[in-house]
Amino acid sequence: QKEVEQNSGPLSVPEGAIASLNCTYSDRVSQSFFWYRQYSGKSPELIMSIYSNGDKEDGRFTAQLNKASQYVSLLIRDSQPSDSATYLCAASRRGGSQGNLIFGKGTKLSVKP
Amino acid sequence: SQTIHQWPATLVQPVGSPLSLECTVEGTSNPNLYWYRQAAGRGLQLLFYSVGIGQISSEVPQNLSASRPQDRQFILSSKKLLLSDSGFYLCAWNPGTGGGQPQHFGDGTRLSIL
Repeated sequence: QKEVEQNSGPLSVPEGAIASLNCTYSDRVSQSFFWYRQYSGKSPELIMSIYSNGDKEDGRFTAQLNKASQYVSLLIRDSQPSDSATYLCAASRRGGSQGNLIFGKGTKLSVKP
Repeated sequence: SQTIHQWPATLVQPVGSPLSLECTVEGTSNPNLYWYRQAAGRGLQLLFYSVGIGQISSEVPQNLSASRPQDRQFILSSKKLLLSDSGFYLCAWNPGTGGGQPQHFGDGTRLSIL
């Protein structure tokens, strides 16, 4: 199993719907998880951090962490065309340099007007 | 607040030419610094990371090298570029103290090798 896995998509949702992005992880990562948004041709931008089991909400974004099942998800409510981007899931690496993150390959989201 | 600067934004270089990309961070001390490469349509590949001045760890053996001459400066270099070095190069930082911190990225350099 890869350390951090994401479905590459593309995931297509209509405007106003809920977009659900999922990420699974292995035992080789630690318990800090991050979601980044990357627009085409731009650098990744941190949008959510989650460190403990459960939900964390920030505006239209909700991050969910389930340690027992080893998955983390990002829900985007009331999806807008401006949310169309690639979403990267990242986790801190267990052991080694504590600053290192392991990134998934990203899920491409397309929000159709 | 902290900011990260990366330049140039775009670069076109011939095969066999040298390379120097620079990254600086403001507003923090002793950050961890990272260089990534992202090929077109691909994921992030960690190239180098540094936890302090002169301390460089290489993740992928290749014709690139990195240096950290000052606390908040990170340089990516090559003596002779290959076609396969084309890509989007990203510098990132996170605090040097405490694990589990997110990384913050610069705007990136898009490198095209001709």
